[in-house]
Amino acid sequence: AQTVTQSQPEMSVQEAETVTLSCTYDTSESDYYLFWYKQPPSRQMILVIRQEAYKQQNATENRFSVNFQKAAKSFSLKISDSQLGDAAMYFCAYRRMDSNYQLIWGAGTKLIIKP
Amino acid sequence: NAGVMQNPRHLVRRRGQEARLRCSPMKGHSHVYWYRQLPEEGLKFMVYLQKENIIDESGMPKERFSAEFPKEGPSILRIQQVVRGDSAAYFCASSRSGQDWETQYFGPGTRLLVL
Repeated sequence: AQTVTQSQPEMSVQEAETVTLSCTYDTSESDYYLFWYKQPPSRQMILVIRQEAYKQQNATENRFSVNFQKAAKSFSLKISDSQLGDAAMYFCAYRRMDSNYQLIWGAGTKLIIKP
Repeated sequence: NAGVMQNPRHLVRRRGQEARLRCSPMKGHSHVYWYRQLPEEGLKFMVYLQKENIIDESGMPKERFSAEFPKEGPSILRIQQVVRGDSAAYFCASSRSGQDWETQYFGPGTRLLVL
């Protein structure tokens, strides 16, 4: 069975600095999708970034980028120029290629931004 | 284009009562997913529905829980005879199709508190 592990329950970063959130996963599949979702205090779940495992190029969305290491089964999220609005819980999630549902979620990392 | 809408945002029930949670998918989306989030945890898949069909309910408890997505109107997650352990945030997500490349978009969630 697939599992997703986020080993950092909480991270803090100074405003305008860069922070990296870790995520590892376990799967025997060769094709799959990986996601980072953000859950701010409002508790809305917001898609931050998505990576297809068959793509070697790391996904990027403005200040958010990933470091996808398929062999190591690692999918870290880098947030550059951190802003106060980035403070939230960040969840890493996995989904098989042949199924568009049944997201498998990590336990989350709480990101604190220090002004 | 309005996002996924859920209501109520907060619901308080006494043990033994019924809880009805509603989800209106994004315009043009015909696939709905329900997840449950316990405190300090990631989301857990419950059920996947298309219009008038339950595709996968493997994550939903067999007793007291039911879900529907009628031809007209929102998807409903119904919990009968609620117990304290049902207290959680319930998230609904929708996608345009069931194709594997589709991303799920989440609603703001319904926080259920059972007294």
